[in-house]
Amino acid sequence: SAVISQKPSRDICQRGTSLTIQCQVDSQVTMMFWYRQQPGQSLTLIATANQGSEATYESGFVIDKFPISRPNLTFSTLTVSNMSPEDSSIYLCSVEDGPNYGYTFGSGTRLTVV
Amino acid sequence: AQSVTQPDIHITVSEGASLELRCNYSYGATPYLFWYVQSPGQGLQLLLKYFSGDTLVQGIKGFEAEFKRSQSSFNLRKPSVHWSDAAEYFCAVGGSSASKIIFGSGTRLSIRP
Repeated sequence: SAVISQKPSRDICQRGTSLTIQCQVDSQVTMMFWYRQQPGQSLTLIATANQGSEATYESGFVIDKFPISRPNLTFSTLTVSNMSPEDSSIYLCSVEDGPNYGYTFGSGTRLTVV
Repeated sequence: AQSVTQPDIHITVSEGASLELRCNYSYGATPYLFWYVQSPGQGLQLLLKYFSGDTLVQGIKGFEAEFKRSQSSFNLRKPSVHWSDAAEYFCAVGGSSASKIIFGSGTRLSIRP
């Protein structure tokens, strides 16, 4: 199955700053997905990133707050902008890994905003 | 729009007892269905998936799930739980290959010694 490397694994950030999270896959994939998992909650899809086009955002998420880049078929970044304590969550990237493996997730970035 | 309901927030079962976690979905066509497990402080691990074919799906760690179209359900079962099964379990639904998947709210499983 695909191997996803996500960086950083955790960070503590000051409110008002921005953090960029990187997701690297060891194979070429069409779609990459970004999720947020707030403390004690389930996973909520932020956006779908397709190489060569603008990301598609879910209701409640906007590009100004969560800009996404997808420069090639193996890499994507998610930026959390102008952070507030409410942005403290785990952020995960995911790829569809073919019919034998389903969807594979990165290990996540645990973000704390102080 | 696709959605997933996991009606049980928290379940406690005795070690060695059988387990069933409920999942109901809403999707306009034939869904792709998944069960994931997340242990404390750990990432998400795929237990099993249903794309098509046999409606009884076998997964890892002795888990199985049955797709019932008439009931829009995909319940997860295990005949005998182990203490190491204590974790959060998420059901998810998606459409065609490479489309997004949406997660249910999760069920926390505790094991009574």
